Amino acid sequence: GAVVSQHPSRVICKSGTSVKIECRSLDFQATTMFWYRQFPKQSLMLMATSNEGSKATYEQGVEKDKFLINHASLTLSTLTVTSAHPEDSSFYICSANLAGGAEAFFGQGTRLTVV
Amino acid sequence: AQSVTQPDIHITVSEGASLELRCNYSYGATPYLFWYVQSPGQGLQLLLKYFSGDTLVQGIKGFEAEFKRSQSSFNLRKPSVHWSDAAEYFCAVGDPGGFKTIFGAGTRLFVKA
Repeated sequence: GAVVSQHPSRVICKSGTSVKIECRSLDFQATTMFWYRQFPKQSLMLMATSNEGSKATYEQGVEKDKFLINHASLTLSTLTVTSAHPEDSSFYICSANLAGGAEAFFGQGTRLTVV
Repeated sequence: AQSVTQPDIHITVSEGASLELRCNYSYGATPYLFWYVQSPGQGLQLLLKYFSGDTLVQGIKGFEAEFKRSQSSFNLRKPSVHWSDAAEYFCAVGDPGGFKTIFGAGTRLFVKA
């Protein structure tokens, strides 16, 4: 149980276009999901907290207009990188917790390359 | 605010030697602590976790970690390292209130023959 699936695992897009990444909790409902970004050889940095049915909460320094988060259902959160640029190339990982639990279950990650 | 410190950016050990990766945390209450491993280009794999109880925690792949409240530490150990253990290791603290997971900077493990 507690499986989180992320799609796609890899995506290449042209500079200036937008790309959407999906994060699904397959066997549980998640009112809250988290999005992380990991640059090469660096740690995972929390970008935002996705809240079902309400606005996401962004960490300091993360542009909310650039990284659009939608959490329209209890099993799906999406991250859309708008007007992507090469500096947005990174590894994006989502996570979700079981209700009341502190352990996060992570998706497989999405490698975004902007060319 | 919570924080996690992994003082060693990288460590090199010989295959068969013992390993200890250091982790110190800053948290106001009893923390929920985790160790994850990440191979290049891959996602995270949970090695072990500590929530409460026995301070020596056993995990997968022969890893263990010991929670020491007095030292605010949660060091990861393995008695005999295999070449396949070469990877990036992350210590993390979970916030039971907001459910966020905060990661340390990571320690890159190199294993030499």
